[in-house]
Amino acid sequence: DQQVKQNSPSLSVQEGRISILNCDYTNSMFDYFLWYKKYPAEGPTFLISISSIKDKNEDGRFTVFLNKSAKHLSLHIVPSQPGDSAVYFCAASATYNTDKLIFGTGTRLQVFP
Amino acid sequence: DAGVIQSPRHEVTEMGQEVTLRCKPISGHNSLFWYRQTMMRGLELLIYFNNNVPIDDSGMPEDRFSAKMPNASFSTLKIQPSEPRDSAVYFCASSFELSRGEAYEQYFGPGTRLTVT
Repeated sequence: DQQVKQNSPSLSVQEGRISILNCDYTNSMFDYFLWYKKYPAEGPTFLISISSIKDKNEDGRFTVFLNKSAKHLSLHIVPSQPGDSAVYFCAASATYNTDKLIFGTGTRLQVFP
Repeated sequence: DAGVIQSPRHEVTEMGQEVTLRCKPISGHNSLFWYRQTMMRGLELLIYFNNNVPIDDSGMPEDRFSAKMPNASFSTLKIQPSEPRDSAVYFCASSFELSRGEAYEQYFGPGTRLTVT
């Protein structure tokens, strides 16, 4: 039972364009969401997060949008760069247990020149 | 800081053998997590510790899996006996929890790629 779903296993985007990675969740108790980025042979690294009291959080080229009614969040990367090519994991946690993150299956982003 | 250290980076073993994965969390962090990554299920939380005490082991797949944290700077994940379906990448992560419900981001180690033949 996947509580956090990333339905697109892969995405290919041209350099300079926008990359949009999507994530859906089923547990209405989730109220803190994170995106992690993973390069091959390395562990995931934290990228950006958003709390349920917000609907948008921006950090440089990265913006996360949250739609609580739809139980959906997305990560926008603008402009996309070849160095952004990696696997992106969406994760969620509930206020009652912030330690416990539930991860999605990941989306492999490839940015080509 | 050296970050989260995991060893070995790669482990190949035969079915039925015991496997021990090791983790050294970031100094000062008080929460430690063991994850398993597979293509089908992504990153699954197996168990996590807070202040060396196991808090939630509901993700541990079977009794063949066990984890310990004897002190703040060391943890092990053991599989005995190992099976081919245990083949995956196992990650350790650590974080600092200010108080219950106020935890900072998790920092991951490089992972151990386990292959059971």
